[in-house]
Amino acid sequence: SQQGEEDPQALSIQEGENATMNCSYKTSINNLQWYRQNSGRGLVHLILIRSNEREKHSGRLRVTLDTSKKSSSLLITASRAADTASYFCATDDRGSTLGRLYFGRGTQLTVWP
Amino acid sequence: SQTIHQWPATLVQPVGSPLSLECTVEGTSNPNLYWYRQAAGRGLQLLFYSIGIDQISSEVPQNLSASRPQDRQFILSSKKLLLSDSGFYLCAWTKTGTGTPLHFGNGTRLTVT
Repeated sequence: SQQGEEDPQALSIQEGENATMNCSYKTSINNLQWYRQNSGRGLVHLILIRSNEREKHSGRLRVTLDTSKKSSSLLITASRAADTASYFCATDDRGSTLGRLYFGRGTQLTVWP
Repeated sequence: SQTIHQWPATLVQPVGSPLSLECTVEGTSNPNLYWYRQAAGRGLQLLFYSIGIDQISSEVPQNLSASRPQDRQFILSSKKLLLSDSGFYLCAWTKTGTGTPLHFGNGTRLTVT
């Protein structure tokens, strides 16, 4: 299936440490997006990286994309307790203009104060 | 600015009862609309998407249906709920085309008893 898969499923760190989450996918894409979900809430878009980009930054977030390996990583630097949430990668369908996104199961990040 | 409203926030329904979840978007026109379901500890499963009024596509066969009677209104329905329909239902919208982020509602927690 097109669905991305995040790794690890769960990550527990102390405040101030960096958190790295990985995503692998199976088919060609136009872009890859990362989302965050607080418990019991909807998802919030964090960052989008296009297939012709290799790295992108937004504040404390750094995303990389390796289309040859069909993988992406999300790095959160200097993590805070407020970063505790589930993080999902989402991939589109390269052959489609319909904007459908396919999500993985997510990484549950816990940041301890 | 654009907003998305989804209701109700929680719902407990007996097996065999009907279902109607509603989603409306404000501040934009002709959005692409989506219904996702998230089972406990799982990723998001795309159920339906719509590119226009009365234009609905289903991603997976199931006990649910969707309708879009107005440009910014998306309804998820069932005639008879099953236990397996329990989950967290999320409505989302995006502008037409690829490379645009999804904007999610706050979700409906459905428990079928």
